[in-house]
Amino acid sequence: EAQVTQNPRYLITVTGKKLTVTCSQNMNHEYMSWYRQDPGLGLRQIYYSMNVEVTDKGDVPEGYKVSRKEKRNFPLILESPSPNQTSLYFCASSLWGENTGELFFGEGSRLTVL
Amino acid sequence: LAKTTQPISMDSYEGQEVNITCSHNNIATNDYITWYQQFPSQGPRFIIQGYKTKVTNEVASLFIPADRKSSTLSLPRVSLSDTAVYYCLVSGGYQKVTFGTGTKLQVIP
Repeated sequence: EAQVTQNPRYLITVTGKKLTVTCSQNMNHEYMSWYRQDPGLGLRQIYYSMNVEVTDKGDVPEGYKVSRKEKRNFPLILESPSPNQTSLYFCASSLWGENTGELFFGEGSRLTVL
Repeated sequence: LAKTTQPISMDSYEGQEVNITCSHNNIATNDYITWYQQFPSQGPRFIIQGYKTKVTNEVASLFIPADRKSSTLSLPRVSLSDTAVYYCLVSGGYQKVTFGTGTKLQVIP
């Protein structure tokens, strides 16, 4: 089954404790991205990756890092989480081309930073 | 990136046709228009995509006028399970994509 898998789905952590949210897709998609969703603000892009070793900032990259060492994985790293990073996070992937096609989303990771 | 404007919310009774309009005055020549549906605490799900005129699939229709400065998502005979947030995206690719706040559709029994 074609899917985007995120882990963990739920996490409560404390300020400053490094954490990684993993994202994996099994569709051989070139493009992957991370979004955060906060009430009243919609979905905002954090980082995206056009292919292996190619990443770039989205609208809200501060406080986050990403890496794309393999095509299927695109982890989101919070080196020193702060309470304002409490949010619902989504990973997504898509084939790349002139036609944007369909963006496939994971089920989300709800993060709480105390 | 073309900015989009949608109504914040809409109500509809079950069985009615719902039309959600999105305004995108600055759409570029290579931009496509894509609509997504999102249920609470779930990732958005692709509904339909188009470039011009009309596109129809098994769940919705997308109407795009000749000037492409707006688009309308049409949901035929909505049911309670169509209650969700609907996002309009305009992009030539997914490099930098902002979903905006979407339209919250409430279907009433």
